[in-house]
This record gives sequence, C-alpha cells and structure tokens, in this order.
Amino acid sequence: GAVVSQHPSWVICKSGTSVKIECRSLDFQATTMFWYRQFPKQSLMLMATSNEGSKATYEQGVEKDKFLINHASLTLSTLTVTSAHPEDSSFYICRATQEEVNTEAFFGQGTRLTVV
Amino acid sequence: GQNIDQPTEMTATEGAIVQINCTYQTSGFNGLFWYQQHAGEAPTFLSYNVLDGLEEKGRFSSFLSRSKGYSYLLLKELQMKDSASYLCAVAPYYGGSQGNLIFGKGTKLSVKP
Repeated sequence: GAVVSQHPSWVICKSGTSVKIECRSLDFQATTMFWYRQFPKQSLMLMATSNEGSKATYEQGVEKDKFLINHASLTLSTLTVTSAHPEDSSFYICRATQEEVNTEAFFGQGTRLTVV
Repeated sequence: GQNIDQPTEMTATEGAIVQINCTYQTSGFNGLFWYQQHAGEAPTFLSYNVLDGLEEKGRFSSFLSRSKGYSYLLLKELQMKDSASYLCAVAPYYGGSQGNLIFGKGTKLSVKP
C-alpha cells in the first residue's frame, strides 16, 4: 500500500526557534496534503490543506505566517513552525491523498513537538 | 455545523465483544471511516462505509445508517493489543476534498485480562 514518510518522529526545541517537519509520499503522487494537529485527548484538528504548486489553505484560527506550508512537488510537503512557543507543543501529522483513491488513508507517522 | 460524537472511554474484557458508537451531523456525507490510534502513533485505517449496512473484516465490523447519522465499530474476540483509541471520521465532501475528514475525539478502549 501507499506509504507516507514523516520526519522527524519527535523533536524538542527551544522557545523562539523554528522547526521543519517533512512528509514524503514514497510510491504515489500526493496531489493534496492535509496537516493536522492533535493535543492530548483531543481529536485531530485540520490546520491547513495544500495542493502541489499552490498556496496552502488555512483553517480559521491557524496563523499562516507561523505555520509555513510548502508543497513544491508531488512527493514532498513541509510544515515549518516558526518562532515556536510552548503552546505549540503538540502531535503534528500529515495525510496525503491521491484523488483517484477514495477509501484508503495515507497518514504520516506523526511528529511529537515539544517546545521548552 | 459539523459534529461527531463518540464515547470518551470504554472498558472491556479480553475475549469479549465491544461496540463503539458514533453519531454525526455534517453538512455533507461521502463516507465514514474508523481508525485505530495507539498513543503517540499515527492512526491506522480500519474501515470505510459509504452505504448503509454492515461491513465485516475479520474481528472488526462496521455498521452505517445514513438516515440516522449513526455508525458503530464492533470488535470481537478482544485482545490486549486492541487497547487503543478508536476514531470515527466523516468525509463531508465529494471529489478533490475527499481527503478532508472531520474527526471525532476518539474512544479510548481499555481491554482488561
């Protein structure tokens, strides 16, 4: 089945620094990438949707200048958390879709971000 | 608005059967997913229902009633490794936004010996 590789799986960073999270689709073309955030005991909340070669569409309440998303190719999308603060500590996970596949879900492995 | 409800926690005994319910109210409907998520890990796909009825896959079955906005996940012959959170998610749109799912908060299932 299709695989989405997400790195890093966990990262600890100092407050004020930036962190980049990568998601790569290994054997298919990811036309659309969804980025989610999950706080403890909460559901996955959609942060933004990106289509290859286009600007990302952000959900209400998500700062586009703080969470930079790049989807420059059909196999790579990145999320950069800029000037991270402790409240940004969360589980970030990507999900890639092939438009012709309707039932499978291709999640990345997730990234546990801790800002100290 | 969009809303998905499922119980927060459930406990069951090894070898038993457990049913996790999910109700939804969404602006559109293009299928309902169930995922299993162990702590600190990505969700893994369990099932997809878009038509009414029961879909069986091994020890897991999923049921959907679109008229009632209701689904359940049935787990049989419970094993300790089934202890996890189970997420109900609805795809509200058809087409290019198929992948945009609305997730419930998940039901944390604890299987005890």
